[in-house]
Amino acid sequence: KQEVTQIPAALSVPEGENLVLNCSFTDSAIYNLQWFRQDPGKGLTSLLLIQSSQREQTSGRLNASLDKSSGRSTLYIAASQPGDSATYLCAVALGGANNLFFGTGTRLTVIP
Amino acid sequence: DTGVSQDPRHKITKRGQNVTFRCDPISEHNRLYWYRQTLGQGPEFLTYFQNEAQLEKSRLLSDRFSAERPKGSFSTLEIQRTEQGDSAMYLCASTTTSANEQFFGPGTRLTVL
Repeated sequence: KQEVTQIPAALSVPEGENLVLNCSFTDSAIYNLQWFRQDPGKGLTSLLLIQSSQREQTSGRLNASLDKSSGRSTLYIAASQPGDSATYLCAVALGGANNLFFGTGTRLTVIP
Repeated sequence: DTGVSQDPRHKITKRGQNVTFRCDPISEHNRLYWYRQTLGQGPEFLTYFQNEAQLEKSRLLSDRFSAERPKGSFSTLEIQRTEQGDSAMYLCASTTTSANEQFFGPGTRLTVL
């Protein structure tokens, strides 16, 4: 069974800092990997999707990398802002139904 | 707003009652997923539809749970004889076969008293 781990569970940084969130998964035969943001009590917002054949994806201040062989992904957030405060979830899809296996998330707080 | 809508947003019910949730996916999306999320955890897969066919169900989906997607459009998730352990956020997501990026609705928060 695919297991997804996210470290750290919580992170506080001052505004303006660059930061890295980590995600690891046990089964490297993934179809794709998706990073999401979740605000308290809300649904999930898709941030980036990396296909298994890709190494990284960028969107604005966000950059996600994928290393399938080591079972790792990172989400890099540049110049953090208080509005970035949320829980960030990593999820991997295997083939077939492509249902997502989620980590437990990293709760990020950006201090003004 | 991702374009996926869910109704109701909140539901409070007494143990033993039946509840039904609705999900309206993005209109051209042929794949629809249901997930359940408990406090402090990531979402867990429940079931998946491609068009109107329910193709996969998780072992989490006990006999008290049933899902439908008539005509391959909206979907409903029914829980019969609710238990306190059913209290959770129920999330719906949709995508296309080619794109695979899943877009989530705002969720339905269920509280069973």
